[in-house]
Amino acid sequence: AQTVTQSQPEMSVQEAETVTLSCTYDTSESDYYLFWYKQPPSRQMILVIRQEAYKQQNATENRFSVNFQKAAKSFSLKISDSQLGDAAMYFCAYRSANSGGGADGLTFGKGTHLIIQP
Amino acid sequence: GAGVSQSPRYKVTKRGQDVALRCDPISGHVSLYWYRQALGQGPEFLTYFNYEAQQDKSGLPNDRFSAERPEGSISTLTIQRTEQRDSAMYRCASSLGTASYNEQFFGPGTRLTVL
Repeated sequence: AQTVTQSQPEMSVQEAETVTLSCTYDTSESDYYLFWYKQPPSRQMILVIRQEAYKQQNATENRFSVNFQKAAKSFSLKISDSQLGDAAMYFCAYRSANSGGGADGLTFGKGTHLIIQP
Repeated sequence: GAGVSQSPRYKVTKRGQDVALRCDPISGHVSLYWYRQALGQGPEFLTYFNYEAQQDKSGLPNDRFSAERPEGSISTLTIQRTEQRDSAMYRCASSLGTASYNEQFFGPGTRLTVL
């Protein structure tokens, strides 16, 4: 079974600064997808960014980018020019490219609570 | 358009009672997923449907938990003889198709409290 580890329960950053959230995962598969989800105080789950394992190029979405290191099984999220609205729980998630045995669902880490200081 | 909706948003029940949680996916979305999120944890996969067929229920904790999606749209997650350890946020998500790259859109969740 796959596991996702987020080793930073909480991170704090000054507004307008850059912050990096860490995520590592364990899998024996070669084909999979990785995601970062944001959960603001409203408790919604919002997709921030997605990375296909077969793509070497790191995904970017405006101020959000990832550093995907497949050999190291690492998938960190960088938030540039942090804004007050970025304050939330951030979850890293893994999904297999296969089916069955729970592979169809997302496997989430425990989350990192991001605090933005004005 | 409308997103994924869930009802009720909050449910308080007494231990031993049955509860039914409803999920209304985005119109046209083929796949529907159920997750459970305990406080301070990430969501945990429970089960998933492709149209009306339950494709994977390996994440259901025990046989008190069941789910159905009889017409391939609305789904109901039922917990029988609830226990205090069942207290959690229950989330539903839907996606256009079953392919792994399809984004799963999450509903607001149902907060279940078992007294």
